[in-house]
Amino acid sequence: SQQGEEDPQALSIQEGENATMNCSYKTSINNLQWYRQNSGRGLVHLILIRSNEREKHSGRLRVTLDTSKKSSSLLITASRAADTASYFCARNSGNTPLVFGKGTRLSVIA
Amino acid sequence: DTGVSQNPRHKITKRGQNVTFRCDPISEHNRLYWYRQTLGQGPEFLTYFQNEAQLEKSRLLSDRFSAERPKGSFSTLEIQRTEQGDSAMYLCASSRGGHTDTQYFGPGTRLTVL
Repeated sequence: SQQGEEDPQALSIQEGENATMNCSYKTSINNLQWYRQNSGRGLVHLILIRSNEREKHSGRLRVTLDTSKKSSSLLITASRAADTASYFCARNSGNTPLVFGKGTRLSVIA
Repeated sequence: DTGVSQNPRHKITKRGQNVTFRCDPISEHNRLYWYRQTLGQGPEFLTYFQNEAQLEKSRLLSDRFSAERPKGSFSTLEIQRTEQGDSAMYLCASSRGGHTDTQYFGPGTRLTVL
């Protein structure tokens, strides 16, 4: 079953705006990973954040993790039309395969 | 290109036919995973290999599904007697080590069962 849940399910913003996507989970984790998927394509790994980390940055991406609330957020700053994609969080508990959420569909309008 | 490759990219078949997909992982990666993704959903784990050994199978993997990874290199996923409900994107991923390592995904094989 999919235990990572993204919020919102869909998000539409103007180019240049920031986009924030949230992910909640139910059980303890070893790490949490964010992936991007362009329409009909494979997934591209964005960021991995470990359970003992609170924030990570990669270019225009910022991921936070709050293990007390069992939630994570992905912030994309200064969005571009090319950021249009689905974004998934995936929970890793160490001894089990990744569990993906249903994803957030982001549309960036030029 | 040293990424994960999958063939074919698209497959259309009639109900009841058998289909086989292939995945070539990144060469030095020991772990190989298969996922299934339906429209509007995230990928769902099917099975994984550590080298040539198949270590775990999801309950989603019915008896009609079989996967192999001979010699610990490429892997094949076969679906026998396909059903319309098997229509989905089948994704392969590989990683260097255990479940905590980053997984690198292939482009997927989209299966349509008529």
